[in-house]
Amino acid sequence: EVQLVQSGAEVKKPGESLKISCQGSGHTFNNFWIGWVRQRPGQGLEWLGVIYPGDSDTRYSPSFQGQVTISADKSISTAYLQWSSLKASDTAMYYCARHRDGDPFDSWGQGTLVTVSA
Amino acid sequence: DIVMTQSPDSLAVSLGERATINCKSSQSVLFRSSNQNYLAWFQQKPGQAPRLLISWASTRESGVPDRFSGSGSGTDFTLTISSLQAEDVAVYYCQQYYGTSWTFGPGTRVEI
Repeated sequence: EVQLVQSGAEVKKPGESLKISCQGSGHTFNNFWIGWVRQRPGQGLEWLGVIYPGDSDTRYSPSFQGQVTISADKSISTAYLQWSSLKASDTAMYYCARHRDGDPFDSWGQGTLVTVSA
Repeated sequence: DIVMTQSPDSLAVSLGERATINCKSSQSVLFRSSNQNYLAWFQQKPGQAPRLLISWASTRESGVPDRFSGSGSGTDFTLTISSLQAEDVAVYYCQQYYGTSWTFGPGTRVEI
């Protein structure tokens, strides 16, 4: 069974750093792209970017370039999303999802809730 | 970025009736060499992650009931639920996966 298991909820203060994770199982992790999607409370879905763990090729939405960093460690089938300095506006649920080259997201993680508050 | 719009923002449909959601892209998502539209539909129920319903504008994913259908090409697309069931209450999003930067529509809330 394909699974993407995300790290647990986080509560942080503005200005702090954070790295959340997404571990894949049940499929060949290196053969899929892993993407990140933001969903602010009561809002819609926003595509942040994707990474191909096989060669670390990474693509960002222009809206999020420079705001977050996507990385992966293929040896442990895990992708990451990180912030160097969180803002209150980063408060959201963050989902990871996988896709084959040229295909849409076909499997999603359960989401990681990030709360940034003073 | 390709901008996706959806209409309506929300709709209320009686059980057993048809629900129709429209999605429009700011530029074509039809890849001419393959004649494929890079357009997907997702369903998101409260408290859950999104679920892929339809890819390539009209291809239903395995396990998706056949009351869900997708149509359209180029810049205009439609998701139809032919006979609404209680379990279909959700927000529906279209998404383009053409090129290297993907975008979602704002979502359409379907209620009974």
